[in-house]
Amino acid sequence: EAQVTQNPRYLITVTGKKLTVTCSQNMNHEYMSWYRQDPGLGLRQIYYSMNVEVTDKGDVPEGYKVSRKEKRNFPLILESPSPNQTSLYFCASSPTPPGADTQYFGPGTRLTVL
Amino acid sequence: AQKITQTQPGMFVQEKEAVTLDCTYDTSDQSYGLFWYKQPSSGEMIFLIYQGSYDEQNATEGRYSLNFQKARKSANLVISASQLGDSAMYFCAMREGLKGAQKLVFGQGTRLTINP
Repeated sequence: EAQVTQNPRYLITVTGKKLTVTCSQNMNHEYMSWYRQDPGLGLRQIYYSMNVEVTDKGDVPEGYKVSRKEKRNFPLILESPSPNQTSLYFCASSPTPPGADTQYFGPGTRLTVL
Repeated sequence: AQKITQTQPGMFVQEKEAVTLDCTYDTSDQSYGLFWYKQPSSGEMIFLIYQGSYDEQNATEGRYSLNFQKARKSANLVISASQLGDSAMYFCAMREGLKGAQKLVFGQGTRLTINP
């Protein structure tokens, strides 16, 4: 089954404790992306990757890091989480940059930073 | 300035009626793409429909169509014969640029409720 998986689905942590949210897709997609969703703000893109070893900033990259060492994986790293990073996070992938091809989203990771 | 504006925070529609969700966008690029996504109460994001800026015909996918008015910079989603399962949050989004940056920008969303 074609899917994007994220782990963990729920995470409560404390300020400053490094964490990684994993994202993996099994569709051999070139393009992967991370978004955060906050009430009243819609989704905002954090980082995206056009291919292995190629990443670029979205609109809200501050406080986040990503890496794309393999095509299927695109982890999101919070080196020193802060309460303003409490949000719902989505990973997504598509064969090419978003266009006519369906973009697949993961189930979401709800992060709470205390 | 907002690049994607959805002016309807919420809409209530009777089942089987058609519904139009508004979306206006702002870009100086000639090449861009417009998208609609659905987010049911379960939380997942579902891609619905795409319109490229050079596409002359309005995009259609089943009961969904995108009313693309380039001069007015609007990309409204039309759902024909609405169903109870259409109740969800709907997001309009735009991708700017054919090459280079491939960012996707979303609107704030419209919550659609279909009444029986």
